[in-house]
Amino acid sequence: DAMVIQNPRYQVTQFGKPVTLSCSQTLNHNVMYWYQQKSSQAPKLLFHYYDKDFNNEADTPDNFQSRRPNTSFCFLDIRSPGLGDAAMYLCATSSEQGSNSPLHFGNGTRLTVT
Amino acid sequence: AQSVTQLGSHVSVSEGALVLLRCNYSSSVPPYLFWYVQYPNQGLQLLLKYTSAATLVKGINGFEAEFKKSETSFHLTKPSAHMSDAAEYFCAVNAYSSASKIIFGSGTRLSIRP
Repeated sequence: DAMVIQNPRYQVTQFGKPVTLSCSQTLNHNVMYWYQQKSSQAPKLLFHYYDKDFNNEADTPDNFQSRRPNTSFCFLDIRSPGLGDAAMYLCATSSEQGSNSPLHFGNGTRLTVT
Repeated sequence: AQSVTQLGSHVSVSEGALVLLRCNYSSSVPPYLFWYVQYPNQGLQLLLKYTSAATLVKGINGFEAEFKKSETSFHLTKPSAHMSDAAEYFCAVNAYSSASKIIFGSGTRLSIRP
C-alpha cells in the first residue's frame, strides 16, 4: 500500500542535542508538510515543500530546519531542542497545493526532550 | 484569512446515539473543507471533504457532513455511534486562494458511553 512512513515512532533527545526526524512517502506526491502537534491541540504547520520549493511559516522558530533531498524523503532537523519542543511531529503529503487535495499523514514521531 | 472553529472540545454520547460535532468556518473565498479523525498515537486520517460538488458529503465509517453557506457551518454527523468512533476529530479549511495552507480547528474529543 502507498503510504507515508515516519521514523522513528518515538524519539528521546537531550536538551540542546540536535535531532533529526525522517519521513518517506511512496505516494509520489509533490507536496510534503511538517506539522507539530502538542498534547490536546491542533496540528500546527511548520513548513512545506512544493517539489523543491521550501515554504516556511512565519512563526516557525529558526531552531527548526527541513531538507527534502528527493521526492520521496523529507527530514525535520531541530538544531537545539528545548523542553517546549516536546511534541508529536506529523509528516503529511498531498498531490497538489492550493486545491482540494487532502493530506495523507504518517503515524507521527513523538519527541521527548529530557 | 480563513479559519475554523470547533464548538465543544469534548463530546460524549451513548453507543447507538446520534453524533454531532460542530464546525464553523471563516473564509473570504469559497473554501475547501475537511474532517479528519485521529486515533491515539496515530496520524490524522481523512473522513470526508467538501469541494462544492454537493452540499451533503458522505465519508468513511458512516459519517457525513453538510455544508451550509448561510450558517458558515460544516457539522459532522453519524446516525448511530459505535465504540470504535471514540477519537479526536478535526475540522480543517483550505481556501481556494491559499497556497497549500490547511488550517485545523482545535479538535473535538469524542467519547462513547456503553
